[in-house]
Amino acid sequence: QVQLQESGPGLVKPSETLSLTCTVSGGSISGYYWNWIRQPAGKGLEWIGRIYASGSAYYNPSLKSRVTMSVDTSKNQFSLKVNSVTAADTAVYYCARSDRWELEPWGQGTLVTVSS
Amino acid sequence: QSALTQPRSVSGSPGQSVTISCTGTSSDVGGYNYVSWYQQHPGKAPKLMIYEVTKRPSGVPDRFSGSKSGNTASLTILGLQAEDEADYYCSSYAGSYTFEVFGGGTKLTVL
Repeated sequence: QVQLQESGPGLVKPSETLSLTCTVSGGSISGYYWNWIRQPAGKGLEWIGRIYASGSAYYNPSLKSRVTMSVDTSKNQFSLKVNSVTAADTAVYYCARSDRWELEPWGQGTLVTVSS
Repeated sequence: QSALTQPRSVSGSPGQSVTISCTGTSSDVGGYNYVSWYQQHPGKAPKLMIYEVTKRPSGVPDRFSGSKSGNTASLTILGLQAEDEADYYCSSYAGSYTFEVFGGGTKLTVL
């Protein structure tokens, strides 16, 4: 079955850019939407955005000015960049697939801490 | 503050039933049939339990069911089991500007 795995630096300095990649295995990246969701410690889930295999992207309005998503179909990967990060961006970041608006499956998540 | 409102916590004894509510507006829950429910155990990724209000993914026990009335969606769990103890989140499509919103989550305790 399809599996997703997030990867990237676990520590980012304030004002710098957070960069994560999600690698999809066991299935093609084509034909689905690919999402990023984050969860600060002890708090709820926040949808960051999604990108289609064609490259069309849709972002949470509250993060849109700082977020960029991209997809690399040749590597079966998609990526997230969040610029000008602050401590408020510290969270576990998940990637997930969707057909319409359900999110399944999810990656295991990766903790990103913003600190100097 | 989350876009969708869920009770902070609910509880029930093994074998009992519980219902978790998720209240939004006509711009999200009430306007579309794209409500999903996720179960999250501590330290784990969320797992899809219900999608499109009432649909259950393969492998999810039929003890879990979803419904919607107006701007409020509900997740009902019949015959509570110890392994159901977890956090539950609802989400909804919210139109072509906001896209997807989550509830704040509900902690289910099995007594």
